[in-house]
Amino acid sequence: DAGVIQSPRHEVTEMGQEVTLRCKPISGHNSLFWYRQTMMRGLELLIYFNNNVPIDDSGMPEDRFSAKMPNASFSTLKIQPSEPRDSAVYFCASSEDRGLTEAFFGQGTRLTVV
Amino acid sequence: AQRVTQPEKLLSVFKGAPVELKCNYSYSGSPELFWYVQYSRQRLQLLLRHISRESIKGFTADLNKGETSFHLKKPFAQEEDSAMYYCALSSGSARQLTFGSGTQLTVLP
Repeated sequence: DAGVIQSPRHEVTEMGQEVTLRCKPISGHNSLFWYRQTMMRGLELLIYFNNNVPIDDSGMPEDRFSAKMPNASFSTLKIQPSEPRDSAVYFCASSEDRGLTEAFFGQGTRLTVV
Repeated sequence: AQRVTQPEKLLSVFKGAPVELKCNYSYSGSPELFWYVQYSRQRLQLLLRHISRESIKGFTADLNKGETSFHLKKPFAQEEDSAMYYCALSSGSARQLTFGSGTQLTVLP
């Protein structure tokens, strides 16, 4: 398995544009997490899915952010409209839902909104 | 609510010196605690978990429930240990990881 795969690796967009980040979790993992990493705030959990169902989205900063998981092998995080303060590295992670949890992270998407 | 606090954003030590990265948590139940590491230009990866009581790359961490701490220690730091370290807590039922704000460790030659 290639691990958690995120695309794109880098995204530069203009303020006001829609941005879609993509994630393919590890096959067989049924928990998926989206995190945002910034220098100021570190790693923040945005949303957590279990068996494709959003369980906790309290970390989603505002209505401009939305996330979906239409099936077990794909998730998206959308920002519409994007703002410069959304610039960060966005990580997707997945884990199994049994026993001790270890989250496996993707390489991240570095988003720059200008 | 669960919370993880890493009081040091930056920590520098000289090669061969002991290093301790601090982590405190607040959680009402029995937590699972982890240390994750992110080397430059690499993905975040698990370093160790408290339940395993193991030493990884010379690092150890002991869960102190009385002090609600899970500090990461290494007796002799190496330059290749330079990285960002995150302490994380998992609440068993929710299965979600809450991370601290991270500590950037720099080991100087």
